[in-house]
Amino acid sequence: LAKTTQPISMDSYEGQEVNITCSHNNIATNDYITWYQQFPSQGPRFIIQGYKTKVTNEVASLFIPADRKSSTLSLPRVSLSDTAVYYCLVGEAGKLIFGQGTELSVKP
Amino acid sequence: NAGVTQTPKFRILKIGQSMTLQCTQDMNHNYMYWYRQDPGMGLKLIYYSVGAGITDKGEVPNGYNVSRSTTEDFPLRLELAAPSQTSVYFCASSPSVDEQYFGPGTRLTVT
Repeated sequence: LAKTTQPISMDSYEGQEVNITCSHNNIATNDYITWYQQFPSQGPRFIIQGYKTKVTNEVASLFIPADRKSSTLSLPRVSLSDTAVYYCLVGEAGKLIFGQGTELSVKP
Repeated sequence: NAGVTQTPKFRILKIGQSMTLQCTQDMNHNYMYWYRQDPGMGLKLIYYSVGAGITDKGEVPNGYNVSRSTTEDFPLRLELAAPSQTSVYFCASSPSVDEQYFGPGTRLTVT
């Protein structure tokens, strides 16, 4: 099972772009990279998923280099409501491991 | 659609008691999961199921049992509750390798 490493915490200000990088050196060929967001006292919420190159949706972008040993979640123009824990997961369905996540704090 | 529902929301158990945490999804998803989350930590997978009648262990299955008799329901059974099982329990479902949809969680305290 691929293990992920993320920064424990990050600080940002409203309106800034935030990039959270995740390392997954032993990612397998069939593994996808998935990011979740979790607010206190709630279950995690899916943000974005990718396999290689770049994926973009209405809330975030996911950048994956060719070797797939890392990935970067990019949140454009964050607001106070983006304060949450962000998890990077690597693996197949049923085999996803949640790490400790990155606690993002957005300040006014 | 209600999505993923969990009952109860809160429960206090005495050491040695047993209980079942209920989880139901109405999205016809094949995959269902049970996680636990201790304070300040990430989620740990307890059990998962890839379809009715099929279950498998995750990272931390000891002290728990599951069954999957229907697509919709995936109950988690705690036998002989211990203080180490004090946690928040999340159930989730997904159609495949795609996004998982999480329930609101059950906060369990064992004293």
